[in-house]
Amino acid sequence: DIVMTQSPLSLPVSPGDPASISCRSSQSLLHTNGFKYLDWYLQKPGQSPQLLIYLSSNRASGVPDRFSGSGSGTDFTLRISRVEAEDVGVYFCMQALQTPLTFGGGTKVEIK
Amino acid sequence: QVQLVQSGAEVRRPGASVKVSCKASGYTFSSYFIHWFRQAPGQGLEWMGVINPSGGGGTTHAQKFQGRVTMTRDTSTSTVYIDLSSLRSEDTAVYYCARAISIVATMGFDPWGQGTLVTVSS
Repeated sequence: DIVMTQSPLSLPVSPGDPASISCRSSQSLLHTNGFKYLDWYLQKPGQSPQLLIYLSSNRASGVPDRFSGSGSGTDFTLRISRVEAEDVGVYFCMQALQTPLTFGGGTKVEIK
Repeated sequence: QVQLVQSGAEVRRPGASVKVSCKASGYTFSSYFIHWFRQAPGQGLEWMGVINPSGGGGTTHAQKFQGRVTMTRDTSTSTVYIDLSSLRSEDTAVYYCARAISIVATMGFDPWGQGTLVTVSS
């Protein structure tokens, strides 16, 4: 199974400040089609996860452009350019290259 | 709009079975695979398996659920089901269904169902 490792575990941020979350996979997520099969999700308190980024760098429909994703085959980053109060919650990365699909342990973003 | 609506919370004794439903609407049911995930209290997300709603309803599941999980679908009601047997306390979790945004690749799950809490307790 592909192991996903996220950091940090917790991320206190002041409103308007940037934030960055890292995710590392135990093997490359680069498919032969050239796409990297890495998604990012945000789970707000008491809610289901919501898709932010798919294929490493593509924003999902309706996601604000302050969210961006990047990465190589094994190292990925989610960036929030200016954190807003509504961005609090737990962020998960997930590899979709092969089953079983696996998730990072999550990063809890909170407002200072 | 595309929507997945799950059945309500369940309480079961250890050793029993539970069946959770996920009703799809707003799109062509047979075109998109549906995946199942779960999240134990205060924990991360875990993938359980996937069902192809079209054709013979083929499934793939995580090895750890071998022999205990069954996924089915009812095309007449656009509903998929997950049945988990031989329940133990560690199966206490919120169970989610989700649809990929693509019909050709496993990527980007949206939407997700609202979640179904399954509590296993004696």
